[in-house]
Amino acid sequence: GQQLNQNPQSMFIQEGEDVSMNCTSSSIFNTWLWYKQDPGEGPVLLIALYKAGELTSNGRLTAQFGITRKDSFLNISASIPSDVGIYFCAGQRNNDMRFGAGTRLTVKP
Amino acid sequence: DGGITQSPKYLFRKEGQNVTLSCEQNLNHDAMYWYRQDPGQGLRLIYYSQIVNDFQKGDIAEGYSVSREKKESFPLTVTSAQKNPTAFYLCASSITPTGQGTAFFGQGTRLTVV
Repeated sequence: GQQLNQNPQSMFIQEGEDVSMNCTSSSIFNTWLWYKQDPGEGPVLLIALYKAGELTSNGRLTAQFGITRKDSFLNISASIPSDVGIYFCAGQRNNDMRFGAGTRLTVKP
Repeated sequence: DGGITQSPKYLFRKEGQNVTLSCEQNLNHDAMYWYRQDPGQGLRLIYYSQIVNDFQKGDIAEGYSVSREKKESFPLTVTSAQKNPTAFYLCASSITPTGQGTAFFGQGTRLTVV
């Protein structure tokens, strides 16, 4: 089964910097979701996108559903230490949901 | 509070034994999913269910079995046929099975084969 291509795999940034990550696929999805996972815990939903071109914000987080429906990006502005974790994108289509391999974010104080 | 609950959080199993992981949701969601997560990898779909008494294989169903006798419950059995069962298992549910729903996850079960 096809997984999503998520980039970058890891990021090391300074507190206060902005972060950008993206997911691409060769297939179209109806929904794009972004999750954050802390060690040993289940992923927590950050943002859900339901329409091509949609741009949605949740505090310092902004995500967009690509116009082709084959990609999405997530931006985090003014990063803080608690942003540390693994961020996953997920594309949902018909009966299943596919995930990227995750972007591991490290924020240095 | 509404949510999705997995139990136990940690599970140890001897080689050759079957083990069942529990997943319960009180969100009235139609669809439920089981994923496996290995270090450094994304989530891989084991099984999913759109409705009671129906379920479909995901990408890595071999060595696993599920049942969906109630809307709220979707237990996963890891059988002795699963060659490398040590992993972090995640259950999720979503309100609609056809792509416009938002999926929520349980806290996960870490299975270790000893």
